[in-house]
Amino acid sequence: QKEVEQDPGPLSVPEGAIVSLNCTYSNSAFQYFMWYRQYSRKGPELLMYTYSSGNKEDGRFTAQVDKSSKYISLFIRDSQPSDSATYLCAMTTGGGKLIFGQGTELSVKP
Amino acid sequence: EAGVAQSPRYKIIEKRQSVAFWCNPISGHATLYWYQQILGQGPKLLIQFQNNGVVDDSQLPKDRFSAERLKGVDSTLKIQPAKLEDSAVYLCASSPSGMETGELFFGEGSRLTVL
Repeated sequence: QKEVEQDPGPLSVPEGAIVSLNCTYSNSAFQYFMWYRQYSRKGPELLMYTYSSGNKEDGRFTAQVDKSSKYISLFIRDSQPSDSATYLCAMTTGGGKLIFGQGTELSVKP
Repeated sequence: EAGVAQSPRYKIIEKRQSVAFWCNPISGHATLYWYQQILGQGPKLLIQFQNNGVVDDSQLPKDRFSAERLKGVDSTLKIQPAKLEDSAVYLCASSPSGMETGELFFGEGSRLTVL
């Protein structure tokens, strides 16, 4: 069993849709939870970061962490074609070593 | 602020040949990472440096991979001899000292194809 599981998709939605991306994990020691966005042939860029359980909102993006269920989510409201990318969840116990999910490929159609 | 610089961007080699990748982190970032990203997978940590000391190299295949960070700034990752399964994107990332939250800044990567 992988430490972090993420549905690879691909996921295709129409412009303006609400997108839900999810990851599950097995290591209860993870404390920091991140979502990275990776455009084709580019390096990942940090989108959202959350410490422990709870919600965090930044514009059209909302990150949720449920440590009791070992489940994290990223919601994208009013999705745009420019949101088309691969979304990677990542988590760490601290110290910078990240464990990444497989990534979900998202396509937002105009 | 300049980002993480990596070179070369693309490299094609035959198996059993050697290759080296170079990384220049963001100025002032004490921690440097090399990640391997195989097609369709998330990045996997190969090695983490704090200044010029190794913090974690537990997943580095040491029989063929080596890395160094001289003077605590630039870093080089070498593969010798390369295998077919080493085909991947090699990502360098950096973070400021004390940043334990996982907020890493990645370069664009060096894409290796081993034939």
